[in-house]
Amino acid sequence: DAGITQSPRYKITETGRQVTLMCHQTWSHSYMFWYRQDLGHGLRLIYYSAAADITDKGEVPDGYVVSRSKTENFPLTLESATRSQTSVYFCASSEGWLGNQPQHFGDGTRLSIL
Amino acid sequence: SQQGEEDPQALSIQEGENATMNCSYKTSINNLQWYRQNSGRGLVHLILIRSNEREKHSGRLRVTLDTSKKSSSLLITASRAADTASYFCATDQPGSARQLTFGSGTQLTVLP
Repeated sequence: DAGITQSPRYKITETGRQVTLMCHQTWSHSYMFWYRQDLGHGLRLIYYSAAADITDKGEVPDGYVVSRSKTENFPLTLESATRSQTSVYFCASSEGWLGNQPQHFGDGTRLSIL
Repeated sequence: SQQGEEDPQALSIQEGENATMNCSYKTSINNLQWYRQNSGRGLVHLILIRSNEREKHSGRLRVTLDTSKKSSSLLITASRAADTASYFCATDQPGSARQLTFGSGTQLTVLP
């Protein structure tokens, strides 16, 4: 089925470890986004990408790295995980970016860092 | 930083009643979107309203926008238990460098 899928759905790791969250979309949307969702903060943008090999920082990029070698994939890496990065991470895509395009979300990765 | 703030934070109603949620924002916007999030799932886009529009309908949803008050409301008519979810507004601002800013959401519970 077409859509946007995230993996893994749940992840537990330890501080200092590297962890990569995967995101794959089948619509060939140009734009992809990574958000984190924490109680009391709503969704906050970490990074976004306008096309393959084009990425840019969002509101809370520190401690995260992204890449986009193919249009359909947009992995998010925590190079050295910290407890403050415990959160639910959502990937999203949109056809374009004029602010008048809906974003389509995956079901999230629940990440716990011990 | 949060642009949108939803009000109330939580709302509980009986099936068949109408539910109204409000969103206030701080700076001028280009567009405002509403999303729904069911427990354990991703956000689903509901409706978009442009800054030059005042009202928009989609099925049982009615959205209004008052740019002079920097506020929007989402009305769900004849609510159903399946409408139980969190509802978020999201705005994009002029010069926002392609960022949608989400509020912290309203948790709606519809009791059967």
